[in-house]
This record gives sequence, C-alpha cells and structure tokens, in this order.
Amino acid sequence: DAKTTQPNSMESNEEEPVHLPCNHSTISGTDYIHWYRQLPSQGPEYVIHGLTSNVNNRMASLAIAEDRKSSTLILHRATLRDAAVYYCILRAQPMDSSYKLIFGSGTRLLVRP
Amino acid sequence: DGGITQSPKYLFRKEGQNVTLSCEQNLNHDAMYWYRQDPGQGLRLIYYSQIVNDFQKGDIAEGYSVSREKKESFPLTVTSAQKNPTAFYLCASSDRDGNQPQHFGDGTRLSIL
Repeated sequence: DAKTTQPNSMESNEEEPVHLPCNHSTISGTDYIHWYRQLPSQGPEYVIHGLTSNVNNRMASLAIAEDRKSSTLILHRATLRDAAVYYCILRAQPMDSSYKLIFGSGTRLLVRP
Repeated sequence: DGGITQSPKYLFRKEGQNVTLSCEQNLNHDAMYWYRQDPGQGLRLIYYSQIVNDFQKGDIAEGYSVSREKKESFPLTVTSAQKNPTAFYLCASSDRDGNQPQHFGDGTRLSIL
C-alpha cells in the first residue's frame, strides 16, 4: 500500500488560512488522494478527495502537485471547530476488495483564538 | 437524519467475557466496516462486509467475530480470545463504489475491568 507522510502537528490562528501538507512519493497513477479529519472522541469525517486536478468543496480545497507526489489540504478560514487530526489517505482504484482506508498517524491541527 | 449509530458509547468487559458492539446505519449503504483505534494511532481494519450475508477478515481479525444478517446492521463481538481489547472501536459504511467516502459512527470505547 502506498504510504503518506504528514507533519505530526501544526498550529494556526483563527480566521487565517491553513495549508496542511502531505507527501506521497510512491503514489501510483490510479491512487486517489483522500482527506479525513477526526475530532476528539469522535469518528473520522470525510473532508475531500481528488485524483489529478485541484478540488474544492464547502469544507476545503485540495491542491495536488503536477507530479502527484504531494498534495495540500487548504482550509480557507480556520475556526476553533477545525481543531482536529487530519489524515491524508491514498486509495487505489481499482482498489483491493476491502476498500479499506489506510490511516497513518495524521497531523494534529491546533487553532489559536 | 441519515447516519450511523453505534452503541453503547462506553463498554466494560470482564476477563473471559464476550461483548457485542452494535452498529446500525440508515444510509442504505451496501458496505460496512469495523475499525480499531489505539491511542495516538490511526485506524486499523478488523472486518468488512460488502453485502448482506457476506463478510471478510481485515488486517486484525483475530479475537473478533461479526455477522451481517441485515443490510442496516453489522454487530461486532469481541471474544475472550482477544487479549488486548481495550481500544476505540469505529464502525463505518459506504456505497460499494470503493472511491466513495466512508461515513463513521461516533465509536464505542471498550475497557477491561
């Protein structure tokens, strides 16, 4: 399974943009890049995913490098509710029969008021 | 509202006892999953089911059992054979298209008495 590398933790000020990086140098051509986040004592929550092009949704934007070896999750205006652990996950397409998510240890985002 | 309901939120197990964790979804999803999360770590797949009356072992199935008699329900039994059951257990569901997001419940925290 292709692996991802993320910083252990990052800090941001409230109402400022946050850029969360992810390296995935062994990504294959069919791996989608998924982001989930997990608040304390809750289940993970889907944030966004993409393959090659940059993606936007109501929660965030995903910027994918041209060589696809890295990506960045962008929160345009951080709020205190965005404080969570953010996971960058690769999912092969076609994937193995379990469709499982392979979680690393993620990036813990701290948002300062 | 559609979603996944896990119960109980907290559960205690005595030595030699089997305990069952409940997971119910009303999202009409075919696929359901059980993950285990240990402190400070990502999630690991225990069992998954892509269709009623069928399920497969994940990466850490030893000491666990499941059933999938109804589309909406995927209970997990932690047996006495699981020697280190203390963890946060998360249930998820998704459409069978493996690139669709997984939706998670709020988890069950299992501890040993």
